[in-house]
Amino acid sequence: GIQVEQSPPDLILQEGANSTLRCNFSDSVNNLQWFHQNPWGQLINLFYIPSGTKQNGRLSATTVATERYSLLYISSSQTTDSGVYFCAVDGKDALNFGKGTSLLVTP
Amino acid sequence: EPEVTQTPSHQVTQMGQEVILRCVPISNHLYFYWYRQILGQKVEFLVSFYNNEISEKSEIFDDQFSVERPDGSNFTLKIRSTKLEDSAMYFCAGSRTGSTDTQYFGPGTRLTVL
Repeated sequence: GIQVEQSPPDLILQEGANSTLRCNFSDSVNNLQWFHQNPWGQLINLFYIPSGTKQNGRLSATTVATERYSLLYISSSQTTDSGVYFCAVDGKDALNFGKGTSLLVTP
Repeated sequence: EPEVTQTPSHQVTQMGQEVILRCVPISNHLYFYWYRQILGQKVEFLVSFYNNEISEKSEIFDDQFSVERPDGSNFTLKIRSTKLEDSAMYFCAGSRTGSTDTQYFGPGTRLTVL
């Protein structure tokens, strides 16, 4: 099946800093989603982005489908951004998730 | 904005007992999924469901698991005889047109098997 690798596995930032999270995938995809898992365990949809660039407030994402990677940018980070960020791509009739990037934003 | 809902939010059960996890998908969704996440690990696919039948299932989804959509709105996951290793967060998800469309996840049910 399709492999999804995320980096870095862990990230600690001071409030106000910017960061870039990366997702590499091993085959062409028709669906790529970024999720934020909050401390209560809920998976929050951030972006549906199989290709191109999208922005939503302080977050933006870019997927370069031909090179099989996606980037999630977090600008001016806040403590509420803490949690685990997952990238997921479509496999055989379902999403395949990466292992996530665990982000801690300190005051 | 419509949301996927799941009940209960937390279920504690004894090993060997049956549990039923319930989900109410978004009303115009046609494709439904169950995923699980063991604590500290990644989210794993269990099963997909379309047109009142299973379309795909993973190796995890063995004979002790079953799904159904009994009344056109609820979507349930049944575990017949729970094991300690079934302890996990279980997520329901749905989409309108399949795996290439945005999947919307419910808040999850945390299952603890003692």
